Order: sequence, then structure tokens, then C-alpha cells
Amino acid sequence: SQKIEQNSEALNIQEGKTATLTCNYTNYSPAYLQWYRQDPGRGPVFLLLIRENEKEKRKERLKVTFDTTLKQSLFHITASQPADSATYLCALGGYQKVTFGTGTKLQVIP
Amino acid sequence: DARVTQTPRHKVTEMGQEVTMRCQPILGHNTVFWYRQTMMQGLELLAYFRNRAPLDDSGMPKDRFSAEMPDATLATLKIQPSEPRDSAVYFCASGLTSGRNNEQFFGPGTRLTVL
Repeated sequence: SQKIEQNSEALNIQEGKTATLTCNYTNYSPAYLQWYRQDPGRGPVFLLLIRENEKEKRKERLKVTFDTTLKQSLFHITASQPADSATYLCALGGYQKVTFGTGTKLQVIP
Repeated sequence: DARVTQTPRHKVTEMGQEVTMRCQPILGHNTVFWYRQTMMQGLELLAYFRNRAPLDDSGMPKDRFSAEMPDATLATLKIQPSEPRDSAVYFCASGLTSGRNNEQFFGPGTRLTVL
């Protein structure tokens, strides 16, 4: 069956360091992969999309990689700040529909 | 500032009661999604619409849940009868099929508690 795995354990890192979050999937052939940020009590907010034929995408301090052979995406936040503390969700996309992972909670410690 | 709105934000009800949740998608968006979020299951897709037509409701318990779009500015999700296991946060999201990033814009959610 289809499965998306994100580290269920919270990730704690020191301010200024690079945070790396992992999204692994099985039994999927997604056309694209998205990353969303969710703050407590709010809906997810879109951050980045990377397509199956792309290896890497950057936006400001964010970087996403997509390895369709390993079936894995890595999400990096460089020079992390306490304001980056949130839950980050990956979502695998097909035709118009996406399936979300359960998310990883990131805590950036000042 | 265009955003998805949802009402009510919070709902506490007793088992067996009907619950109706409403969503106003962003004007001009042609896709609407309903999700349910729990700690255990994460974000699960219940139903989605394109140009007001239901395309997929396979994630929805058919016997008690129903989703409709009476017009382009309103989407509804009904639970009848409600059960304690329906307690969750329900999100509505909207988007554009022509959007470059297939981005979904989420509303603030309805937190449902069924006693």
C-alpha cells in the first residue's frame, strides 16, 4: 500500500544551524512533491514544489531535493531561526490531488 | 487579502447530532478540497471538487458524510449522525488547476468535538 513517512519525532536544533527534514515514500510515482508549513491552530501553508524531473529547488533559506530512485525528499532550512519553529508536511502529488505525510515538528532553540 | 474562510471555527456537539461545516473558497479558484486532521492519521483527504463537480470522495465514510458545492462560493461538509470518532479538525482548501505550483490554500479549519 502507499505510504509516506516523515520523522514523527520532533526535531530540535540550535538557532543558526541547518535543519534537515526527511520525507520517504513507497508505492508512489508522484508527478511532484510539495512542502507545507503548519503552525498550531492554523491550516498548512504552501512553501515549495519540486517536480519529478527536478533534483533540487531553492527559495531564500529553503532548499528541497527530490530523489525518485531513493523515493525520498529532503527539506533544508539554512540559518534557522526560532520563527521557523512549526510542523512541516510533505505532500505527494498526482493529477490535481495530493497525499500528505503526517509531518515533522521542528523546534529551533534560541 | 484573498483567503479561504470556514465556519464555524469550533463546534461541540453530542453523538447523533447533525453537523454542517461551511467553506468559502478563494474567488476564482476552481478546485475545493475537504481534509480531516487528527494526531494519529495526519491530514486525510475526504473529498474534492473541480468546477463544483465532485471528483473524488473515496476518503469519506459514505454512510454518514456528504459534501456538496451548491455554488462556486460555498462548499459544505455534513456529518449525520455524528460519532465521537469524528472528532478532528476539518480543513477546506482551494486552488487553481492552472496554478503553476498546484498550490492549495487552506482555511483556518473547524475543530469538531463530538461527545
